[in-house]
Amino acid sequence: EDKVVQSPLSLVVHEGDTVTLNCSYEVTNFRSLLWYKQEKKAPTFLFMLTSSGIEKKSGRLSSILDKKELFSILNITATQTGDSAIYLCAAKGYNTDKLIFGTGTRLQVFP
Amino acid sequence: NAGVTQTPKFRVLKTGQSMTLLCAQDMNHEYMYWYRQDPGMGLRLIHYSVGEGTTAKGEVPDGYNVSRLKKQNFLLGLESAAPSQTSVYFCASRRTGVHDGYTFGSGTRLTVV
Repeated sequence: EDKVVQSPLSLVVHEGDTVTLNCSYEVTNFRSLLWYKQEKKAPTFLFMLTSSGIEKKSGRLSSILDKKELFSILNITATQTGDSAIYLCAAKGYNTDKLIFGTGTRLQVFP
Repeated sequence: NAGVTQTPKFRVLKTGQSMTLLCAQDMNHEYMYWYRQDPGMGLRLIHYSVGEGTTAKGEVPDGYNVSRLKKQNFLLGLESAAPSQTSVYFCASRRTGVHDGYTFGSGTRLTVV
């Protein structure tokens, strides 16, 4: 059965800290891994990763995929209170129309 | 530029009542999905559609039905609501061949008492 596991489930940090969120996956015929940020409502897209070792970066956020060890990390440097959200990881295989989501990591950043 | 619109945003149902959640997208996307989100469970796929007139089961389809009579609309029905269906429901859509282009609606919070 395909699955995606995220850790930690919850994280509380102070502004300025750097955090690392983890995502491991077991997906048949893996194609891609996606990261989303969910604040109060709809998840919004952050990154899609398909190749090992190639870092994707957007401002203070970056992510990388390891297809040999079947995991991805999402790094956030110099965290701000606006980074407080649930971060969702999802994986997709070839020949399937479904995204498999993890349970999410709830990040709280305090001033 | 509406994107994906879900109606209603909130609803309280009594056990045994029926209702339909509507998802509408104006991006001409072929694929549409219904997810439910529960605390500690992440997003779980209920049903999805790969095009007008098609539907398929996801991970947790029991107790739900769907229809995709028009390309822009994807309806999720609960025939006889149960407290276990209390959840936040999200609709999403994407274009064929665009695997990072999932656009989500803002959700429907459903409570079954």
